[in-house]
Amino acid sequence: GAGVSQSPSNKVTEKGKDVELRCDPISGHTALYWYRQRLGQGLEFLIYFQGNSAPDKSGLPSDRFSAERTGESVSTLTIQRTQQEDSAVYLCASSSKTGTAYEQYFGPGTRLTVT
Amino acid sequence: GENVEQHPSTLSVQEGDSAVIKCTYSDSASNYFPWYKQELGKRPQLIIDIRSNVGEKKDQRIAVTLNKTAKHFSLHITETQPEDSAVYFCAASRGGADGLTFGKGTHLIIQP
Repeated sequence: GAGVSQSPSNKVTEKGKDVELRCDPISGHTALYWYRQRLGQGLEFLIYFQGNSAPDKSGLPSDRFSAERTGESVSTLTIQRTQQEDSAVYLCASSSKTGTAYEQYFGPGTRLTVT
Repeated sequence: GENVEQHPSTLSVQEGDSAVIKCTYSDSASNYFPWYKQELGKRPQLIIDIRSNVGEKKDQRIAVTLNKTAKHFSLHITETQPEDSAVYFCAASRGGADGLTFGKGTHLIIQP
């Protein structure tokens, strides 16, 4: 079946502009995660959605970052007033969370460049 | 919160030799430990994982060991091949409601 998809694949924006990144999880996956990966670095957890529960926002680096998810479908990560340090690949992952299934499947990422 | 340390940051081995990557974690409540392989410009791919109720898991040339007492786990790749060259990330999670905490990655280079 279809995997996790993300759009756009690349985004170049000017410092101070707002951007929206989209994630379409695997159909039926109730859990959705956003991560950030700076060049040559590991993945940083940003936010987690599980069904209709309140999201875990503990990884968001500042109040310029926010995310929404409607039900168990698409999610949007918004970065307001972008800064150069926001340049990174933003990865989305989804998980079925059934029983003891914890596996997270990643999308291809959105490469964000702030000029 | 959880902190995951990964070593080495770069590992170069001869083709056919074994490679071992080690990780430690800090949160004794973590119970799920996946390993991801990321090729240049591509998404991370899960290659193997282990849960805290077992000490070792093997899948063909890849194995993972877990020592809960010492809070460390390792990835073992035997008979390495050129296509094993990539960056490998370990991670830890409490499962359930938590996201993954990743190590900083190991760049594995297989020398022909």
